[in-house]
Amino acid sequence: DAMVIQNPRYQVTQFGKPVTLSCSQTLNHNVMYWYQQKSSQAPKLLFHYYDKDFNNEADTPDNFQSRRPNTSFCFLDIRSPGLGDAAMYLCATSRAIQGANVLTFGAGSRLTVL
Amino acid sequence: GEDVEQSLFLSVREGDSSVINCTYTDSSSTYLYWYKQEPGAGLQLLTYIFSNMDMKQDQRLTVLLNKKDKHLSLRIADTQTGDSAIYFCAETFSGGYNKLIFGAGTRLAVHP
Repeated sequence: DAMVIQNPRYQVTQFGKPVTLSCSQTLNHNVMYWYQQKSSQAPKLLFHYYDKDFNNEADTPDNFQSRRPNTSFCFLDIRSPGLGDAAMYLCATSRAIQGANVLTFGAGSRLTVL
Repeated sequence: GEDVEQSLFLSVREGDSSVINCTYTDSSSTYLYWYKQEPGAGLQLLTYIFSNMDMKQDQRLTVLLNKKDKHLSLRIADTQTGDSAIYFCAETFSGGYNKLIFGAGTRLAVHP
């Protein structure tokens, strides 16, 4: 089945130690998103790629970076994780068409910072 | 501004109807969505409604949209234990490219 796969599902890191989360998709969608979801809070958009064009949200900290080497893969890099970065990170994809913007989500990567 | 508000918790008895409510602020939203998140899983699209509609029905799900009050609701008929999950309301924010703004989610607990 076509889908969005996130790895790892669970990541434990130490304060300040860089982390990379990955997302791959077989849907051939041209838009890929990274959301941060903390407990009992709304998923918060960090950034998205429209094809190769990177779009950063104004309030996304510089500590968060992203790479999209090809259509299928997107990475989230957290350069120096703090305790406040512990969260579920959700990758999503969509096809840029007129009409409803239907996002397909991966299962998420839960980050714990010690 | 962009803000979506939902109550955090709803408890219903199995077989009853559930109504989950949502308010949003962007009057220019073109589409509004309901997503479901089960434990350990990502968000899954349940349904969406175009802003020029006031109702959409899909099997046990009924979406009502009151555009004047910026109020969206999701009714689940004959709620089952398998419906226990977190339900997220989202709007397409007109200020950015089809960006979805989510509410904090309503946790639905279904008890016997």
